[in-house]
Amino acid sequence: SQTIHQWPATLVQPVGSPLSLECTVEGTSNPNLYWYRQAAGRGLQLLFYSVGIGQISSEVPQNLSASRPQDRQFILSSKKLLLSDSGFYLCAWSVGAGWNNEQFFGPGTRLTVL
Amino acid sequence: GQQVMQIPQYQHVQEGEDFTTYCNSSTTLSNIQWYKQRPGGHPVFLIQLVKSGEVKKQKRLTFQFGEAKKNSSLHITATQTTDVGTYFCAGLGVMDSNYQLIWGAGTKLIIKP
Repeated sequence: SQTIHQWPATLVQPVGSPLSLECTVEGTSNPNLYWYRQAAGRGLQLLFYSVGIGQISSEVPQNLSASRPQDRQFILSSKKLLLSDSGFYLCAWSVGAGWNNEQFFGPGTRLTVL
Repeated sequence: GQQVMQIPQYQHVQEGEDFTTYCNSSTTLSNIQWYKQRPGGHPVFLIQLVKSGEVKKQKRLTFQFGEAKKNSSLHITATQTTDVGTYFCAGLGVMDSNYQLIWGAGTKLIIKP
C-alpha cells in the first residue's frame, strides 16, 4: 500500500532562518507531487506541483522553492523565512493529474515563524 | 482570477441535525472534488463529481453537482460526532489556459455540546 511521510511534524523557526521540509512517498512510482500551505482556519493554497524528477511548477510567487531530486521525494525550501510563511504545510501525491484524481495528503508540518 | 466560494464558513448543529455546505464558481468547472479535514489532521478525499446534475451518496452524505457545473453541495443527514471537521470543495477550472484545482475556503462543522 502507498504511504506518504512528512517531517518534521512541527517546527518553530526565527525570521530570516532557512527552511527545509521533506516529503517522501512509498508504494507507488512516478507520482504527481504537490506542496500546499494552509493558513490557520483557511483553505488550501497550492504552492508547487511536480509531474516528474526535476520538473517543478510554481503556482504562487514567493520566497519558497521546491525540488524533486528523486522520483518519490519532494522538498520545500526557503533561504530566509518571513513571518507570513507561518502555516500548515501539506504534501500530497496523486496518480496522474491531481485535478482528475484523488490526492493523498501527508500528515503535514506545522511551521511557526517568530 | 477564478474563485470557488464556499459557504457557510462555520455551521453549528446539534447532534442529529442536518448539515449542508455549498460551493459556487463564477465559471464552469470540469469536475469538483470534496475533502474532509478532521481537527489537527490532513484533508482526506471523499468523492469526485464530473457530470452535470450528478448526485452521489455515501451513507448519510449526499453530494450534488449543479446542472451548469458551477455549483456543488454536500449534505449530511443526522450528523454524528464523527462528522466533526472542515469540509472542502475543490473545483477544476481553467486559469491562463492551464487546468487548476481551485479550493474553497472550507466549512467547519461544529457539533454543539
